[in-house]
Amino acid sequence: KQEVTQIPAALSVPEGENLVLNCSFTDSAIYNLQWFRQDPGKGLTSLLLIQSSQREQTSGRLNASLDKSSGRSTLYIAASQPGDSATYLCAFYGGSQGNLIFGKGTKLSVKP
Amino acid sequence: GAGVSQSPRYKVAKRGQDVALRCDPISGHVSLFWYQQALGQGPEFLTYFQNEAQLDKSGLPSDRFFAERPEGSVSTLKIQRTQQEDSAVYLCASSNPMDRSSYNSPLHFGNGTRLTVT
Repeated sequence: KQEVTQIPAALSVPEGENLVLNCSFTDSAIYNLQWFRQDPGKGLTSLLLIQSSQREQTSGRLNASLDKSSGRSTLYIAASQPGDSATYLCAFYGGSQGNLIFGKGTKLSVKP
Repeated sequence: GAGVSQSPRYKVAKRGQDVALRCDPISGHVSLFWYQQALGQGPEFLTYFQNEAQLDKSGLPSDRFFAERPEGSVSTLKIQRTQQEDSAVYLCASSNPMDRSSYNSPLHFGNGTRLTVT
């Protein structure tokens, strides 16, 4: 069974710190990997999508990398802000179209 | 519309009741997905539509779950004879039809319907 593991499950940092969220997956035959943000009581917002042929994607203070050979992805957040507080989920498309497989998420809290 | 809209926002059902959850995707989006998210867990895939065709329903947990999208836009997820283990947030997502393959299109999620079965 394909699985996605996110470490840590929760993280609390002071404002301004740079931080890294980790995601590992068991199936290297992925089409893409996506990072999402979920605020309490809300749906998911797509942050970054890395296609299988790519190594990284950047958007503002966010940078996501993908290493298919090791089954790992990282989300780097620079100069964190209280507004970054949310749960961050990674997900990948496996072998069947439409079957986006999610991790359980990392709950981030940025303290002012 | 501006985004994916789901209704109702909250639903409380007594065990054994049938429920229907509605999803209005972004106008023109061909692909539509339903996910189930239990408390503290990531979303789990239920089913996928391309236009009105249900291409994958492998994630539906039992035959009590049924989804349809008869005109290729609005979708309804129906749960018959609800059980307590059905309590979860049900998320709908749609994706941009301009990309050649939907799995390389970012998904746009609604805010979900929180179902509580008592």
